[in-house]
Amino acid sequence: DVKVTQSSRYLVKRTGEKVFLECVQDMDHENMFWYRQDPGLGLRLIYFSYDVKMKEKGDIPEGYSVSREKKERFSLILESASTNQTSMYLCASSLPIGRGEQFFGPGTRLTVL
Amino acid sequence: GENVEQHPSTLSVQEGDSAVIKCTYSDSASNYFPWYKQELGKRPQLIIDIRSNVGEKKDQRIAVTLNKTAKHFSLHITETQPEDSAVYFCAAILGYSSASKIIFGSGTRLSIRP
Repeated sequence: DVKVTQSSRYLVKRTGEKVFLECVQDMDHENMFWYRQDPGLGLRLIYFSYDVKMKEKGDIPEGYSVSREKKERFSLILESASTNQTSMYLCASSLPIGRGEQFFGPGTRLTVL
Repeated sequence: GENVEQHPSTLSVQEGDSAVIKCTYSDSASNYFPWYKQELGKRPQLIIDIRSNVGEKKDQRIAVTLNKTAKHFSLHITETQPEDSAVYFCAAILGYSSASKIIFGSGTRLSIRP
């Protein structure tokens, strides 16, 4: 069974704080992804990584950065959290893109006050 | 850039009837089209996928059709059951390179009426 875990299910932060969201997968997948999910907007890709230390911008990278120092771990960083970053954040991993499904983590519901 | 449009945004059908969700994509070179189901409070999970060299694929009560000329693909659920209630997302992927992106549609909330 593929397992994708995220560091927190719920997180409350204040405006201006630095926020770290961590994702770990145990299937030796090359690709890892960060999405945010908002009602009516579906899943929007923030960043993805296809190898250690490699990253690619998704559709909405502004205000976010990522880090992938080890194959199994992909971190999303909000350098200075803002209220419009209140959302559900989903991490996913997969084999090289197009070769199979993405396995999602349980999500982190982030509230920025 | 690549865009995926999904319709309808909400769909309510009587239990036992069929449900159809449609997606269109913008880049004719897209070659892989997965569908994900997300039940309330749970993570999205792949339910079926289709590649560009195939026109239709079935798995029990669900099927996906692809029309490359028109650049649209559809999810068909027959004999709907209460457990089919969920949000469904279509997606499209362009290419097989490491940097290929997956673009999701905005989702369809399917409700099955008893």
